[in-house]
Amino acid sequence: ELKVEQNPLFLSMQEGKNYTIYCNYSTTSDRLYWYRQDPGKSLESLFVLLSNGAVKQEGRLMASLDTKARLSTLHITAAVHDLSATYFCAVDHLPNSGYALNFGKGTSLLVTP
Amino acid sequence: DARVTQTPRHKVTEMGQEVTMRCQPILGHNTVFWYRQTMMQGLELLAYFRNRAPLDDSGMPKDRFSAEMPDATLATLKIQPSEPRDSAVYFCASGLGRQGQSNQPQHFGDGTRLSIL
Repeated sequence: ELKVEQNPLFLSMQEGKNYTIYCNYSTTSDRLYWYRQDPGKSLESLFVLLSNGAVKQEGRLMASLDTKARLSTLHITAAVHDLSATYFCAVDHLPNSGYALNFGKGTSLLVTP
Repeated sequence: DARVTQTPRHKVTEMGQEVTMRCQPILGHNTVFWYRQTMMQGLELLAYFRNRAPLDDSGMPKDRFSAEMPDATLATLKIQPSEPRDSAVYFCASGLGRQGQSNQPQHFGDGTRLSIL
């Protein structure tokens, strides 16, 4: 059974601090996706990581992928309140399945003054 | 910006009633997905289609759920009869790509918030 595990599930951090969210998965997928969800809203794509060693950055967020370790990280630099949301990682439901996704449980991030 | 459109946005109905949720994928997208989100289970894949053909509906309770794509601009998810445990947010997503070519993300609709009393 495919498992996608995120940690932590809840994270409260102060503005200006750095932190990393971890995503471990059990399949051999070489693609990984990060999404953001605001309360009561839809899912917004943040990053698509397509290969081992891939690193992508957008603003204060940086995502990386290590397919050998089956690990992706989402690093937050100098957090601001606007980053408060739930962050999901996801991998292909089946290898090469045409990218139906299995999601982690999500990390609820709260950035406080 | 092109968007995935879902209707209705909210639905409250009594147990035993039929519920139909609709999704208009982004024009040109050839793959459509249905997901369900609950606090307990998180985001679960229910079914998906490519070029209107069902590829996988193993995540769906077959006895009461059905998913179809009558045409390229409409996907439907039906529950009959509905039960309180079906209360959830149902998301439709669409995307481009053929098998193994998933370098573009799926785009999600705003969801249908379903409450079964």
